[in-house]
Amino acid sequence: DARVTQTPRHKVTEMGQEVTMRCQPILGHNTVFWYRQTMMQGLELLAYFRNRAPLDDSGMPKDRFSAEMPDATLATLKIQPSEPRDSAVYFCASGLVRLRERKTYEQYFGPGTRLTVT
Amino acid sequence: DAKTTQPNSMESNEEEPVHLPCNHSTISGTDYIHWYRQLPSQGPEYVIHGLTSNVNNRMASLAIAEDRKSSTLILHRATLRDAAVYYCILRGETSGSRLTFGEGTQLTVNP
Repeated sequence: DARVTQTPRHKVTEMGQEVTMRCQPILGHNTVFWYRQTMMQGLELLAYFRNRAPLDDSGMPKDRFSAEMPDATLATLKIQPSEPRDSAVYFCASGLVRLRERKTYEQYFGPGTRLTVT
Repeated sequence: DAKTTQPNSMESNEEEPVHLPCNHSTISGTDYIHWYRQLPSQGPEYVIHGLTSNVNNRMASLAIAEDRKSSTLILHRATLRDAAVYYCILRGETSGSRLTFGEGTQLTVNP
């Protein structure tokens, strides 16, 4: 049963520290998404990649957030420096874009990383 | 993307059918209707999607109104495990793979 995995599952850090969250998409999927969920804002898309290239990062605060895909099996989301308002659950999702359709219909979500910045 | 409207919450009894409504009166002809659900302390889970015709899969059925201004997600026999927040999402041609989640409907299933 193929799944998206995320590490760490929980992270508590102090304001100003760097945070790195990792995601392993489902093998064979070519599109990776990063979402953030808070009580106030709900579930928001931060960025997504296709074939490891960023396609849309308009939802991501550029000054402190960065997202990369060093290879097809790893996506990372970094926050530097972290702030208390970054406290949220961060979800990674992956999907497969079929050749002629240019969009993925099903996104498979990981269990999330719960980040607390004090 | 066009906006969707869902009830904040609904209740059902175990083993009974559940009809979750979604209104999308400003839907355009190329907007797909997606449903995801999120169980407590988990990531969202794909349920079903459709464009114009009704759709069935192992999890649920999607009934789309003829004018496409509304749709209904049907769970044929609710179980306790179906208690979740259900999101109805429209995805347009210009959105690519982007999904915009609203507040969804919190479904409670009573034993």
